[in-house]
Amino acid sequence: NAGVTQTPKFQVLKTGQSMTLQCAQDMNHNSMYWYRQDPGMGLRLIYYSASEGTTDKGEVPNGYNVSRLNKREFSLRLESAAPSQTSVYFCASTDPGKGARGEQFFGPGTRLTVL
Amino acid sequence: DQQVKQNSPSLSVQEGRISILNCDYTNSMFDYFLWYKKYPAEGPTFLISISSIKDKNEDGRFTVFLNKSAKHLSLHIVPSQPGDSAVYFCAASGKTGGFKTIFGAGTRLFVKA
Repeated sequence: NAGVTQTPKFQVLKTGQSMTLQCAQDMNHNSMYWYRQDPGMGLRLIYYSASEGTTDKGEVPNGYNVSRLNKREFSLRLESAAPSQTSVYFCASTDPGKGARGEQFFGPGTRLTVL
Repeated sequence: DQQVKQNSPSLSVQEGRISILNCDYTNSMFDYFLWYKKYPAEGPTFLISISSIKDKNEDGRFTVFLNKSAKHLSLHIVPSQPGDSAVYFCAASGKTGGFKTIFGAGTRLFVKA
């Protein structure tokens, strides 16, 4: 039981390049999330997927797209990376049906630098 | 507009003493309040939560207090241990929208041996 896994762990991009961050969970959770963490800003929600087949914007969606490929996988794509997207990205999952408190399980993060 | 605020960026406490981390919120519609702990180079992990209908929840050395009238919650760690040194995030969530969660900016706790 690996929980939430993210790839890659580190990535350096040049401005304008594109990339996809991968996330998978093996806990059979319905809801999945992408956050970014910046100093002094906490965790800010980029996009989330309440259930398979649905995605919604979070607090900071501009410059990103997501795909809920199946129940296990939720990917985040940067089409044209900008230096402002330098951050640590976390994927998380939860199952509102099981945990009424909304406890989320997080992956280890992807540290992205855009030059 | 920050719905969840942690006004202290850092806190330093002596080992064995009490650590008190504070959090304020503005939205009275939240159903649950949670605390997450984060070590460097790792993802946050859930620590303890409290329902909006309660005022206290205890789990071992960790206790969370909720004051709804003041829209304030706090996390008490007693006794503090060096292994508690981490960043602590306060968060709030609701049943609607797939438990979309709002996080505070975090408080870095240093426990000195």
